[in-house]
Amino acid sequence: DAKTTQPNSMESNEEEPVHLPCNHSTISGTDYIHWYRQLPSQGPEYVIHGLTSNVNNRMASLAIAEDRKSSTLILHRATLRDAAVYYCILRDVSAANSKLTFGKGITLSVRP
Amino acid sequence: DAGITQSPRYKITETGRQVTLMCHQTWSHSYMFWYRQDLGHGLRLIYYSAAADITDKGEVPDGYVVSRSKTENFPLTLESATRSQTSVYFCASSTRDVGNQPQHFGDGTRLSIL
Repeated sequence: DAKTTQPNSMESNEEEPVHLPCNHSTISGTDYIHWYRQLPSQGPEYVIHGLTSNVNNRMASLAIAEDRKSSTLILHRATLRDAAVYYCILRDVSAANSKLTFGKGITLSVRP
Repeated sequence: DAGITQSPRYKITETGRQVTLMCHQTWSHSYMFWYRQDLGHGLRLIYYSAAADITDKGEVPDGYVVSRSKTENFPLTLESATRSQTSVYFCASSTRDVGNQPQHFGDGTRLSIL
């Protein structure tokens, strides 16, 4: 899988929007961009994924750059429960892809 | 709400003992996976299964056995536990094993082997 680069940590205030960046300059045309998060003492949780167009779901929005070399996960209104490690990963749709490979991710802290 | 359940959440056992970790999903997903998560190694795939009675090795299968007689269950057995198998174990499921399908995880089993 192509590599992603994320900052180590970010801080946010409760009830404010949060923009979590991810760079993936070597992305291929068949790579989907996935975001997962992991809350303390819990399993990884799927957040959102997309290919080219921006995507929205009940948890977050995913904004994908036109050249697809970067993306941003947007939490519209951070809550304390959103404090977690967020992982951006690429998954090639064209081959069997059983293994999920998480990097170090972004540790998001939310201030009350 | 349907989901994926792991049991037990915590387990302490001794070296040499056999221990089985259970995973149950209610989505009728075809694919199921077992990972272990250790500091410094991230998530590592142990075994996965494409359907009932079909299993395959992942990155770190040695010392583990899996079975899948029913679609909804995917137990992981440590036949003779070793201290190096102390870890947090996560089960996951997915509709298909392709890159545009997410995997959904359970809350994990924290296993300590003394």
